[in-house]
Amino acid sequence: SQTIHQWPATLVQPVGSPLSLECTVEGTSNPNLYWYRQAAGRGLQLLFYSVGIGQISSEVPQNLSASRPQDRQFILSSKKLLLSDSGFYLCAWSKRASSYNEQFFGPGTRLTVL
Amino acid sequence: DAKTTQPNSMESNEEEPVHLPCNHSTISGTDYIHWYRQLPSQGPEYVIHGLTSNVNNRMASLAIAEDRKSSTLILHRATLRDAAVYYCIPEPMDSNYQLIWGAGTKLIIKP
Repeated sequence: SQTIHQWPATLVQPVGSPLSLECTVEGTSNPNLYWYRQAAGRGLQLLFYSVGIGQISSEVPQNLSASRPQDRQFILSSKKLLLSDSGFYLCAWSKRASSYNEQFFGPGTRLTVL
Repeated sequence: DAKTTQPNSMESNEEEPVHLPCNHSTISGTDYIHWYRQLPSQGPEYVIHGLTSNVNNRMASLAIAEDRKSSTLILHRATLRDAAVYYCIPEPMDSNYQLIWGAGTKLIIKP
């Protein structure tokens, strides 16, 4: 069966510090991968998605970046965090060859920028 | 992109059926309709999806209006574990793998 891991689960960082969140998927190959951010009481905002190694599409201009160095690894980074980067970060995957987009989510990382 | 309208919140008693409505009047003929739910402090989980016909699975039923401008997620016997935020999401055929998430409906289950 497939599983998706995210770490860390929680993170408190000062403004201006760097960020690295990691997501890995097991039990599948060639997945589509996604990074979302969720503000308190709001829906999910798509940040990045990837259809293959080294292929990243950005949906929202910001100081965040994403990389996919391996097929089942997706990394979210920032060189300098802003207060507005606080939120709940979710990684998700979906099957590449599927007629509909069922997405499977990780447990999330709660980031607080102080 | 199709816009959705859902109630901000709904309450239901435990062991009773729950009908969660969603209006998606701008949906196109080829858009799937997805429902996800998110339990507190967790990532969302898939509930059900459909295109034109009503759909059933072990979690819920999805009733789609004949004109496809609205749908209703039905939980046949709500339990306390069904308390979550429920999202209705149309998926355009040309969405390039994207799902556009609204604020959803917060379902409160009273014991």
